[in-house]
Amino acid sequence: NAGVTQTPKFRILKIGQSMTLQCTQDMNHNYMYWYRQDPGMGLKLIYYSVGAGITDKGEVPNGYNVSRSTTEDFPLRLELAAPSQTSVYFCASSFRDANEKLFFGSGTQLSVL
Amino acid sequence: AQSVTQPDIHITVSEGASLELRCNYSYGATPYLFWYVQSPGQGLQLLLKYFSGDTLVQGIKGFEAEFKRSQSSFNLRKPSVHWSDAAEYFCAVGPIQGAQKLVFGQGTRLTINP
Repeated sequence: NAGVTQTPKFRILKIGQSMTLQCTQDMNHNYMYWYRQDPGMGLKLIYYSVGAGITDKGEVPNGYNVSRSTTEDFPLRLELAAPSQTSVYFCASSFRDANEKLFFGSGTQLSVL
Repeated sequence: AQSVTQPDIHITVSEGASLELRCNYSYGATPYLFWYVQSPGQGLQLLLKYFSGDTLVQGIKGFEAEFKRSQSSFNLRKPSVHWSDAAEYFCAVGPIQGAQKLVFGQGTRLTINP
């Protein structure tokens, strides 16, 4: 069982560049989430999706975009990268909602220099 | 709005010693409460969760947590820690309806001395 798979694991971007963080899950989960983790700050929700074609903003959506064209995939797009987006990004999924068990990917460490 | 506080940023215990990690929450009603663990270089894994019923909840890896409404606390315990328990531990609270967002605490990093 692959679970939640994120790519890439590490990336360094220059200020102003763009990139897409990939996330795919093979558990047929309806709900998917993107979190960022900053040292000493816990996890903050960026965007979430309750099913294919449906997305919504979380706590910290500025500078990011998402799409959900299939149940399996939930990519996160960074446009015009800024140093403030240096963080570790986690994708997660759950079958019903966030009060069910969340399954997390292993994360993407992103540095914007 | 709900919030979660983990007062201890870093805790060091000896292998075989008992462990208690503190978590305090703020929420108007009885929330869903969670403990997640993050091993180095890994994503988070659910240890246990509470919503209703018995206030002492058993989880995986020998962990348990006790919900105390009067103290707004949900502390995580383990009677005897193992070196493999070294990790970061996150407490989280979720709303009851339309639950899309968990609010995570800042995390407690656990170091185990041999």
